[in-house]
Amino acid sequence: EAQVTQNPRYLITVTGKKLTVTCSQNMNHEYMSWYRQDPGLGLRQIYYSMNVEVTDKGDVPEGYKVSRKEKRNFPLILESPSPNQTSLYFCASSLSQGLDEAFFGQGTRLTVV
Amino acid sequence: AQSVTQLDSQVPVFEEAPVELRCNYSSSVSVYLFWYVQYPNQGLQLLLKYLSGSTLVKGINGFEAEFNKSQTSFHLRKPSVHISDTAEYFCAVSDRGGADGLTFGKGTHLIIQP
Repeated sequence: EAQVTQNPRYLITVTGKKLTVTCSQNMNHEYMSWYRQDPGLGLRQIYYSMNVEVTDKGDVPEGYKVSRKEKRNFPLILESPSPNQTSLYFCASSLSQGLDEAFFGQGTRLTVV
Repeated sequence: AQSVTQLDSQVPVFEEAPVELRCNYSSSVSVYLFWYVQYPNQGLQLLLKYLSGSTLVKGINGFEAEFNKSQTSFHLRKPSVHISDTAEYFCAVSDRGGADGLTFGKGTHLIIQP
């Protein structure tokens, strides 16, 4: 079954404690991206990757890092989380950027206290 | 850069009534247009998309949307809604040059009342 898998689904952490949210897709997609969803703001893109070892900033990259060492994985790293990063995070993948259907993970609800 | 406006943050509708969710976009270039749906506690899934050709696009679950270039709109419609259509609906746009990914609107919460 084609899918995008994110882990964990729920995470509560403390300010400053580094964390990683994993994302894996099994569709051999080249394009992957991370979004955060906040009430009243919709989805905003954090980072995206057009292929292995190629990543770029989205609209709200501050406080986040990503890596793309393999085609299937695109982890999101918060080196020093802060309360304003409390949000619902989605990973997505697609064959290409902006043309093909994007497949989304189930989401990761992060709370930083 | 493009932007997407979904004027209604919430739309309450009675079951079996028709519904229209509005979406307007702003872009200096030709665009591709999408509607995604997010059911409670789930990720987003594609409802329909417009790439080219016929301006009336049919999607899953009985939804359709019409691309209107002169009004820069891509409104979503369904002639008769069901309680299971309760969800958040997002309009999204990408430019045909592919320089940017998807830009999403802020979403419209469709509430179906029995």
